[in-house]
Amino acid sequence: GDSVTQMEGPVTLSEEAFLTINCTYTATGYPSLFWYVQYPGEGLQLLLKATKADDKGSNKGFEATYRKETTSFHLEKGSVQVSDSAVYFCALSGSGGGADGLTFGKGTHLIIQP
Amino acid sequence: DTGVSQDPRHKITKRGQNVTFRCDPISEHNRLYWYRQTLGQGPEFLTYFQNEAQLEKSRLLSDRFSAERPKGSFSTLEIQRTEQGDSAMYLCATPRGETQYFGPGTRLLVL
Repeated sequence: GDSVTQMEGPVTLSEEAFLTINCTYTATGYPSLFWYVQYPGEGLQLLLKATKADDKGSNKGFEATYRKETTSFHLEKGSVQVSDSAVYFCALSGSGGGADGLTFGKGTHLIIQP
Repeated sequence: DTGVSQDPRHKITKRGQNVTFRCDPISEHNRLYWYRQTLGQGPEFLTYFQNEAQLEKSRLLSDRFSAERPKGSFSTLEIQRTEQGDSAMYLCATPRGETQYFGPGTRLLVL
């Protein structure tokens, strides 16, 4: 079945550091790929998405490129802020359970220290 | 605001009791999804509706779980004879295009 693997956390960085959170996937067909973020005490929010190979999703300074050849969708940000502290989930749809139901990774807890 | 509300936000119950959660999308959506998120894990798909019809159920959804969407708008998820392993966040989501938008969730604690 479909699956998503993320680097395990917590990931602790200093403010203004460069961020990479790795995400790789296994899926049949051509899934869409997503990054969701969960800030402390809040619900899941879409951060960015990409729907086909070589697409780049971007939002709030975060970027991720859909790499079909390496089945990856790594999340990057050039300079993180304390407010980026949250749990980040990589997810795919299009070949998961329930007609576009999402398959999520386990999440990566990001901690940014001032 | 994702346009999805859930009620209650928190529920504490004793093992063996029945609980019911509600999901209300603000606007009409053909599809509605339920997920479960346990501590330290990502959300896992439970079931989804196309209008009133429940079209797919995960094997995570045991016989103690039942979901309905009687008028194709709001949905309910009932858990009968709750067990401690049912403690989790229950999330509802509706799609716009290929993107799913989540409600705030109902956090269930079974004592």
